[in-house]
Amino acid sequence: NAGVTQTPKFRILKIGQSMTLQCTQDMNHNYMYWYRQDPGMGLKLIYYSVGAGITDKGEVPNGYNVSRSTTEDFPLRLELAAPSQTSVYFCASRDLGLGGEKLFFGSGTQLSVL
Amino acid sequence: DQQVKQNSPSLSVQEGRISILNCDYTNSMFDYFLWYKKYPAEGPTFLISISSIKDKNEDGRFTVFLNKSAKHLSLHIVPSQPGDSAVYFCAASKKTSYDKVIFGPGTSLSVIP
Repeated sequence: NAGVTQTPKFRILKIGQSMTLQCTQDMNHNYMYWYRQDPGMGLKLIYYSVGAGITDKGEVPNGYNVSRSTTEDFPLRLELAAPSQTSVYFCASRDLGLGGEKLFFGSGTQLSVL
Repeated sequence: DQQVKQNSPSLSVQEGRISILNCDYTNSMFDYFLWYKKYPAEGPTFLISISSIKDKNEDGRFTVFLNKSAKHLSLHIVPSQPGDSAVYFCAASKKTSYDKVIFGPGTSLSVIP
């Protein structure tokens, strides 16, 4: 069982470039999330989705866009990369119901914007 | 405004001794608390959780204590093992709003053999 899969693992972007971080889960979870982790700052929620076709902003959504066309996929789009978006990005998912509070995370994408 | 605080960025403990990681929160509406463990180059993994209706939850070597009046929780690891060396994140949420899981900045634990 693969769980939550993120690609790519590493990426270097130039300022102003665009890219999409991919996230796929095979657990049929309804809820999916994108977090970014900056040193000493914990995990900040960027966007989340409660099901296909439904997305909403988290704590730090500026500069990002998401879509959720299927239950499995939740890509994160950076349109005009800026150095402030240098971070490690984690995708996560969770189930509903008892015990559904815990998140399952992917292994992360380390992004550098130079 | 940090709603979940972990005031110790790092902690070193001898193998076999107890590790105590602390977490404080400011929002009294939080009613579910979780600890995640993260190794380098991996995503966080769920470790243990506690609901606000309890004051203690135990799972093997890991115990979480919750003091609601002080808005404080702690994770005890006994005995500590070298494989426990990792970053530990405290997280909090409201049961009516699972979308907003707020994480603390993490504590890096080193267990010295």
